[in-house]
Amino acid sequence: EVQLVESGGGLVQPGGSLRLSCAASGFTVSSNYMSWVRQAPGKGLEWVSVIYSGGSTYYADSVKGRFTISRDNSKNTLYLQMNSLRAEDTAVYYCARSVAVAGPFDYWGQGTLVTVSS
Amino acid sequence: SYVLTQPPSVSVAPGKTARITCGGNNIGSKSVHWYQQKPGQAPVLVIYYDSDRPSGIPERFSGSNSGNTATLTISRVEAGDEADYYCQVWDSSSDHPNWVFGGGTKLTVL
Repeated sequence: EVQLVESGGGLVQPGGSLRLSCAASGFTVSSNYMSWVRQAPGKGLEWVSVIYSGGSTYYADSVKGRFTISRDNSKNTLYLQMNSLRAEDTAVYYCARSVAVAGPFDYWGQGTLVTVSS
Repeated sequence: SYVLTQPPSVSVAPGKTARITCGGNNIGSKSVHWYQQKPGQAPVLVIYYDSDRPSGIPERFSGSNSGNTATLTISRVEAGDEADYYCQVWDSSSDHPNWVFGGGTKLTVL
């Protein structure tokens, strides 16, 4: 059974850092396209970042230069390092899997809440 | 960057047909995916590649895509279909790839 479990969310001050984790089971993270998608309170879905099976990474303009996506193949886990956090980064962060670059996000985690506030 | 436009809300009586549109420039040339999200839950894929249905999704859910509009159709709507629905495409027209979501449509079952 495919499962994605996020962790690492919490309350952080503006300018601070946080690292999110997404532990996968039932499939191999490194063989798929893994993304982070976020949802601000009461708002819609926003794609944040992706790591390709080949290792290439891409970011939404809103987080480029501040967020870094990575994976640990030995732990079958996806990460999102978030630096220089802003109030507008407050959201539930989901990890999601795609099996093709233009394919759908077929599996999602339950999400982890990040709150940026002083 | 590529923009997807959805109506903020759609209302339908039980047993009737709901149609949720997703507008985008020449969206018919792209693959469109649709997600259902209920309050406090993660999104669930309901239609992929314009009109395919994942296992476990009722046949009442269908999709189409042509020209500048993609449409999610829900037949014989039930109370349990009340949710937010998002369309999504992959766009490679800018200097880097983007996974674009529509703003979402809240489906209300009257």
